[in-house]
Amino acid sequence: AQSVAQPEDQVNVAEGNPLTVKCTYSVSGNPYLFWYVQYPNRGLQFLLKYITGDNLVKGSYGFEAEFNKSQTSFHLKKPSALVSDSALYFCAVRDMNNNDMRFGAGTRLTVKP
Amino acid sequence: DTGVSQDPRHKITKRGQNVTFRCDPISEHNRLYWYRQTLGQGPEFLTYFQNEAQLEKSRLLSDRFSAERPKGSFSTLEIQRTEQGDSAMYLCASSLRVSGGLGEQYFGPGTRLTVT
Repeated sequence: AQSVAQPEDQVNVAEGNPLTVKCTYSVSGNPYLFWYVQYPNRGLQFLLKYITGDNLVKGSYGFEAEFNKSQTSFHLKKPSALVSDSALYFCAVRDMNNNDMRFGAGTRLTVKP
Repeated sequence: DTGVSQDPRHKITKRGQNVTFRCDPISEHNRLYWYRQTLGQGPEFLTYFQNEAQLEKSRLLSDRFSAERPKGSFSTLEIQRTEQGDSAMYLCASSLRVSGGLGEQYFGPGTRLTVT
């Protein structure tokens, strides 16, 4: 069965600095990979996905993620963090053979002014 | 607002009571998913429908949990004989199945269940 690990519970960055939120995955076949963001009292919002093609995927709000097959990673990145990016970020993986999407435990990003 | 909606947003019930939650997906979406999220964890997949057919239900947590989508539009999740361990946020999501592709899931705001 597929699984996701987000090794950092918390990431703190200063506004204007680059940010990285880490994600590694495990699947038996080709992975479908996703990043979602959760703001307080709001539902999960889709940021970006990797299905196939270019390893660098661009998504909403200036976020991007790099798929690295050899390292089984899909780290989320942004060149310049904003205070408004502070939220809970979830990585998720789906095996191409089923519809069971597995989420990581989440990483809380705090961007300080 | 044409997003996924869930009702109620909050439910407090006593142990042993039955509860039912409703989810209204985005209107053109043919797939609907239910998840459970506990504090400090990511969403945990429970079940999903394509139109009115429930295609995966082996991940439902116990036989006290059941879900329906009778007309392929809204869905209900019922928990019978609730236990304190059922306290969690129950999330609904919908997506559009597209040929050759993978539609991302759009989530509702969730129903927070507290079992006392």
